Amino acid sequence: NAGVTQTPKFRILKIGQSMTLQCTQDMNHNYMYWYRQDPGMGLKLIYYSVGAGITDKGEVPNGYNVSRSTTEDFPLRLELAAPSQTSVYFCASSYSRPDNEQFFGPGTRLTVL
Amino acid sequence: QQQVKQSPQSLIVQKGGISIINCAYENTAFDYFPWYQQFPGKGPALLIAIRPDVSEKKEGRFTISFNKSAKQFSLHIMDSQPGDSATYFCAASSNNNDMRFGAGTRLTVKP
Repeated sequence: NAGVTQTPKFRILKIGQSMTLQCTQDMNHNYMYWYRQDPGMGLKLIYYSVGAGITDKGEVPNGYNVSRSTTEDFPLRLELAAPSQTSVYFCASSYSRPDNEQFFGPGTRLTVL
Repeated sequence: QQQVKQSPQSLIVQKGGISIINCAYENTAFDYFPWYQQFPGKGPALLIAIRPDVSEKKEGRFTISFNKSAKQFSLHIMDSQPGDSATYFCAASSNNNDMRFGAGTRLTVKP
């Protein structure tokens, strides 16, 4: 099993550009999450999904969109990138509600200039 | 506002010593308290977790102590090793699928 994979590993965007961060898991997990990690701030939940076709906002959803068309994939879309979105983004998955172990991907480091 | 407050921000311990990281939470609906370990350039990985029906959980050198009345929990690393050098995050969640993380503690174990 590859676990949770994320692409790209690094990306530099200009202000106003858009991009999609890809996340795929091969563990047949129902729940998937997107977090951002800023220095000294821990991880903040952006969006999560409890199954294909179902998504919901987390703590910091503004400026982002998600979709979940399959169990395996949970892409995160950034529209009109802003410097405040410079961060490290982690995708995670778990079998059911968050008190099951969350498995994290390796992260995507995004810089918006 | 930070629903889970973690301290200290950084910690330096000698090899063989005890590392202690503390967390406090506000939301009494939280019922699951994990600790995650993160090495540089990697995603966090679950280290140990506890539910509020027990006051302590031990797995090898790692122990969680939980004080429900004080709304506090802590991670103790016994016989700390240089390989334990990492960033540690406490977290808390309830039934609403929302996991809240502390700000993290960067642990350095000196040989």
